[in-house]
Amino acid sequence: DAKTTQPTSMDCAEGRAANLPCNHSTISGNEYVYWYRQIHSQGPQYIIHGLKNNETNEMASLIITEDRKSSTLILPHATLRDTAVYYCIVRRRYSGGGADGLTFGKGTHLIIQP
Amino acid sequence: DTGVSQNPRHKITKRGQNVTFRCDPISEHNRLYWYRQTLGQGPEFLTYFQNEAQLEKSRLLSDRFSAERPKGSFSTLEIQRTEQGDSAMYLCASSLAGTANTEAFFGQGTRLTVV
Repeated sequence: DAKTTQPTSMDCAEGRAANLPCNHSTISGNEYVYWYRQIHSQGPQYIIHGLKNNETNEMASLIITEDRKSSTLILPHATLRDTAVYYCIVRRRYSGGGADGLTFGKGTHLIIQP
Repeated sequence: DTGVSQNPRHKITKRGQNVTFRCDPISEHNRLYWYRQTLGQGPEFLTYFQNEAQLEKSRLLSDRFSAERPKGSFSTLEIQRTEQGDSAMYLCASSLAGTANTEAFFGQGTRLTVV
């Protein structure tokens, strides 16, 4: 799976939009971009995924650049409960029976300030 | 079904003892994964099952580690002769694999402390 690069940490004011960048310049055509987050002492939580089109769900929006070499996760109105480590992962969605374990990096520690 | 369940949540053991953790996946999910996470790091893949078959093991999974999923439902992860370096959070996840693989859902983890 392709490697991703994320900033180590970011701050955001409560109520503002949090924009978390991710670089994945070696992503291949059949790899999707996934985002998970991990709140302290809990298991990772799935947020959103996409291939090349922008995606939105009740938690967040995912903006993928046209060349697919980077993406941004947007939390539109951040709350204190959004403080967590956010992981950007690229992986194949159609693994054809092969292993599809997620490869986590160190992620971005997002701190929402009151 | 409320999600992936792991037991116990915390385990403290003396070095050299054996420990066993249990994971109950989301009921219709046919894939089950084990990960390990140490402080300040992201989770690291250990092994996964499709139904009852263990299909891949990471090189992180030493001979002292064994995982089973006997009936394709719950899974156990056993660590024999524990070492202090085994202290970590052990995470279980499940997903539905078919033509398209769904996202993986994680449990709360079992935190192991070896003293």
